[in-house]
Amino acid sequence: NAGVTQTPKFRVLKTGQSMTLLCAQDMNHEYMYWYRQDPGMGLRLIHYSVGEGTTAKGEVPDGYNVSRLKKQNFLLGLESAAPSQTSVYFCASSWQGRRNQPQHFGDGTRLSIL
Amino acid sequence: AQKITQTQPGMFVQEKEAVTLDCTYDTSDQSYGLFWYKQPSSGEMIFLIYQGSYDEQNATEGRYSLNFQKARKSANLVISASQLGDSAMYFCAMRGPSNTGKLIFGQGTTLQVKP
Repeated sequence: NAGVTQTPKFRVLKTGQSMTLLCAQDMNHEYMYWYRQDPGMGLRLIHYSVGEGTTAKGEVPDGYNVSRLKKQNFLLGLESAAPSQTSVYFCASSWQGRRNQPQHFGDGTRLSIL
Repeated sequence: AQKITQTQPGMFVQEKEAVTLDCTYDTSDQSYGLFWYKQPSSGEMIFLIYQGSYDEQNATEGRYSLNFQKARKSANLVISASQLGDSAMYFCAMRGPSNTGKLIFGQGTTLQVKP
C-alpha cells in the first residue's frame, strides 16, 4: 500500500546548490504532478505529466525542471537553489485527467534553502 | 481563469457539533469537479469528497457532506459530529474540463476542534 512515495522527506540546501526530488507511484497512474505549498497560498502547480516521456509547465515553473522517463517516476530538479524555493513540495498522481479522478498525494518534502 | 476562494483562515468548533467550511469558485466552464482535501499536522494530503458540476445531489462521504450551490458557485464542506481528529487544515480544489487533470487550490481553512 505504498501509493505515492517522495524522497527525501527533509533537505537543507545552500543557495546555488542543485538537487533532485524523487516521486514514485505504484498505482500505474498515467498523470503525475508536482506542487509547492507556501503559507497562506495553498498548493500551486509547478509541472505536470500526462504520461511517460511527457512534461508540461504549471502555474509556477520557473527555476524547476522535471523528467518522466518511467511511468512510475516523476523527478523534480532544482538546478541552482534560491531562498524563494524554500517550501513544502508535494507530488501527486491520478489514473486519468478526468474531472472526477482525485489526485493521490505523497507525504511531502520539506526543503529549506539557506 | 479558474479561481478558488476560502475566506475563513481559521475556524473553531466544539467537539460533537457540526461545522461548515466555506468555498467559492469562479469558472466559465460548464464541466468541472470540486474536491476537498484534509491536511493534518503531520502534513499529508487526504482526499475527502468530490462533487461534479453535473451532479444533482450533494455528495456525502460518512460524516462529510458537500453543500453544492451551483448558481452561487459555492461548494461548502459540512463536517457533522466533529471529532478531535478533525483538527487540520482543509483545502477546496477545482479541476476543469481539460484532460490535463490540473487542480486549482484555495488558500485553506484551519479547523480546530475543542474538547
